[in-house]
Amino acid sequence: DADVTQTPRNRITKTGKRIMLECSQTKGHDRMYWYRQDPGLGLRLIYYSFDVKDINKGEISDGYSVSRQAQAKFSLSLESAIPNQTALYFCATSDRKWYGYTFGSGTRLTVV
Amino acid sequence: GESVGLHLPTLSVQEGDNSIINCAYSNSASDYFIWYKQESGKGPQFIIDIRSNMDKRQGQRVTVLLNKTVKHLSLQIAATQPGDSAVYFCAENWSRQGAQKLVFGQGTRLTINP
Repeated sequence: DADVTQTPRNRITKTGKRIMLECSQTKGHDRMYWYRQDPGLGLRLIYYSFDVKDINKGEISDGYSVSRQAQAKFSLSLESAIPNQTALYFCATSDRKWYGYTFGSGTRLTVV
Repeated sequence: GESVGLHLPTLSVQEGDNSIINCAYSNSASDYFIWYKQESGKGPQFIIDIRSNMDKRQGQRVTVLLNKTVKHLSLQIAATQPGDSAVYFCAENWSRQGAQKLVFGQGTRLTINP
């Protein structure tokens, strides 16, 4: 099993719908992140959480919300999806021992 | 501002040749750097890292060079193989007021020609 699991892998949704992307990890890391990837724009941080009670906005949090249900679970919600939220979304984890992140395989979201 | 950029968005090399992927970073206080490889349909995967107190680090077929004077990072891949085709990202670690985060560059797509 993957260390960081994202579900679903692919999703097509309609404009205005609420959608949730889920992330779970088995690495025991306390820090979790949600990134968005668009062609030519690299990885942009949406939200991050350093522990269950800590939630922080990233550089592009508008239109998104998150929930840290447990140390191992961090979900990203789009309350009312719009077409420019079509992108590849990645969850990542890290801990205090190493600065690097471990990424999930991504969720490809298309809003039509 | 926050930016980690790459000089070239795409790079094509012949199989067997060496590849050099470059990265410019903006924060002179960054203390740690990572290279990630992202294959099609997958998440970024760690390749190699280097701390700011080093100028070179070698792995298996990969070498990272750090030039703090000009704030430049490079990834060298020796004897490139078809499996090296991917997008490569550099990332720098920012530590500020007790918080820490990675800032990613835009990526370079490496294509290996047979």
